[in-house]
Amino acid sequence: EAGVTQSPTHLIKTRGQQATLRCSPISGHTSVYWYQQALGLGLQFLLWYDEGEERNRGNFPPRFSGRQFPNYSSELNVNALELEDSALYLCASSLRLGGNEQFFGPGTRLTVL
Amino acid sequence: AQSVTQPDIHITVSEGASLELRCNYSYGATPYLFWYVQSPGQGLQLLLKYFSGDTLVQGIKGFEAEFKRSQSSFNLRKPSVHWSDAAEYFCAVVQGGKLIFGQGTELSVKP
Repeated sequence: EAGVTQSPTHLIKTRGQQATLRCSPISGHTSVYWYQQALGLGLQFLLWYDEGEERNRGNFPPRFSGRQFPNYSSELNVNALELEDSALYLCASSLRLGGNEQFFGPGTRLTVL
Repeated sequence: AQSVTQPDIHITVSEGASLELRCNYSYGATPYLFWYVQSPGQGLQLLLKYFSGDTLVQGIKGFEAEFKRSQSSFNLRKPSVHWSDAAEYFCAVVQGGKLIFGQGTELSVKP
């Protein structure tokens, strides 16, 4: 069974640009979560989607947004990139409506120059 | 608000020695607790979880953890560490569907 997949593996952008990160959950999982792992800041919750709806949001500015598609895959968009957005972005999936066990993908390393 | 504390930022143990990584949580009700491991540049792999029932839980790779409500702890243990266990370990609790992580403990293994 395939695990959570994320693309791209690495992404390099400049300040002010937009970044789009993609995630495909484990088959049968309907919930997708996004986390940011920035140097010195640890793992922080960004967004949670289930059945196409945003269920919860972390303490991040509105320029962090996302969506979930009918096939349950998800996209994270970061607008007006800032240097401090450089981080590893991890996607996780679980069974519907916040199944307590979350399975993580390998992450997308975003570097903002 | 719920929180998770991992008091040890970095631990070094010798290969073959026993290991205990500490985790303390702050949560009003019975928590759902997890330990994850992360190798450099990789995602998180679930080692074990506690939802309810037996307070000693077994996980993958020979790890176990014990839930102690009286101490608000969920410490991770392994009787004999292998060089491949060198990684960063995260304790986490679920709140409102999201995971709240501790700061992580980096484990180094000496030959």
